[in-house]
Amino acid sequence: KQEVTQIPAALSVPEGENLVLNCSFTDSAIYNLQWFRQDPGKGLTSLLLIQSSQREQTSGRLNASLDKSSGRSTLYIAASQPGDSATYLCAVLDWSQGGKLIFGQGTELSVKP
Amino acid sequence: GAVVSQHPSWVICKSGTSVKIECRSLDFQATTMFWYRQFPKQSLMLMATSNEGSKATYEQGVEKDKFLINHASLTLSTLTVTSAHPEDSSFYICSAGKFSSTDTQYFGPGTRLTVL
Repeated sequence: KQEVTQIPAALSVPEGENLVLNCSFTDSAIYNLQWFRQDPGKGLTSLLLIQSSQREQTSGRLNASLDKSSGRSTLYIAASQPGDSATYLCAVLDWSQGGKLIFGQGTELSVKP
Repeated sequence: GAVVSQHPSWVICKSGTSVKIECRSLDFQATTMFWYRQFPKQSLMLMATSNEGSKATYEQGVEKDKFLINHASLTLSTLTVTSAHPEDSSFYICSAGKFSSTDTQYFGPGTRLTVL
């Protein structure tokens, strides 16, 4: 059964710092991996989607990498800003479980001005 | 494109009543819709998968008679929480998959349910 783990659970950094969020999954047979942002009391905003055949995706200050063989993904945020404060969730699409998205517990990020 | 809406955005009800939550894909046809539940400080847990015109598939531990799901059209799915109790209070989020690309889900803004 696929399990997704995110470390750390919470992170507080000063504005301007570069940071890395980690995501690991137990079964490498994934279709894709996606990073989401969730603001308090809100739905999910998709940030980056990496297909299983890809190694990384970039969007602005965000860069996500995928190492399927080791079951790991990282989300790199450059020059963090207070507006980046949110919970970041990673999820894998697992066809062996009927095409379900399996979510990690999330990392709660706080960027201090 | 690919906008998903949910209604209502929040609801407060008395214990024992039923509550219906709507999930709509506004600018695309969704053959598959998913319903998730999220408790405070926890991640999203899939409750059920619904395909248009057929019965929903429920995850283990989710009571299908309590959480009624209907996916009557390619743009609308509803989740009805029957005889709600305080332990059903949660954040309910739906997502929808496009007909042409089932590997991407588009998420709604969520519905906050509080049962008194």
